[in-house]
Amino acid sequence: EAGVAQSPRYKIIEKRQSVAFWCNPISGHATLYWYQQILGQGPKLLIQFQNNGVVDDSQLPKDRFSAERLKGVDSTLKIQPAKLEDSAVYLCASSLGPGLADNEQFFGPGTRLTVL
Amino acid sequence: AQKVTQAQTEISVVEKEDVTLDCVYETRDTTYYLFWYKQPPSGELVFLIRRNSFDEQNEISGRYSWNFQKSTSSFNFTITASQVVDSAVYFCALISGGYNKLIFGAGTRLAVHP
Repeated sequence: EAGVAQSPRYKIIEKRQSVAFWCNPISGHATLYWYQQILGQGPKLLIQFQNNGVVDDSQLPKDRFSAERLKGVDSTLKIQPAKLEDSAVYLCASSLGPGLADNEQFFGPGTRLTVL
Repeated sequence: AQKVTQAQTEISVVEKEDVTLDCVYETRDTTYYLFWYKQPPSGELVFLIRRNSFDEQNEISGRYSWNFQKSTSSFNFTITASQVVDSAVYFCALISGGYNKLIFGAGTRLAVHP
């Protein structure tokens, strides 16, 4: 079974530029998560989708970050414009569903973003 | 509020030593889940274990064992006879309340030297 796929693996941009990350979850997984992991810290949830609807985006900086999951499968996370403090690894994860019984999350390899 | 504390920032051991990684959690919910993940240098988070709040039985999987104690709100992880391949950052995490949001601790970096 294929795991969670993410691209690109690495991205370097200058501040004020925009960037987009892509995630393809495990087939059949209805719930998709984007986490931000700043160096030396644990991952922090940015947004959670259930199919193509947003379940939780309370920690997403909505003035510059946006995310979508139009067909309930792939997802894109965008930053526009990027700031220096956005340098981090962006992790995508998926789970079968949103319920506690299905809460095991499988993570992709992440996208390492460097903002100069 | 929910919180996970991993007080040990870095641990360094010599191969074959036993090592315990501490995890203390906070939640007011009676139903919650605790997790451990391993993050090797490649960066991917690898799931190790999930434990729900109603199951306090300790678990052993090969060289890994976990000790869950609700009385002290702790979920500690022990590696027996450590190996160089165990070198990684280990995260303890909590799901509590709705929506399956994983709340991670800051992680413990384990270095196992030959």
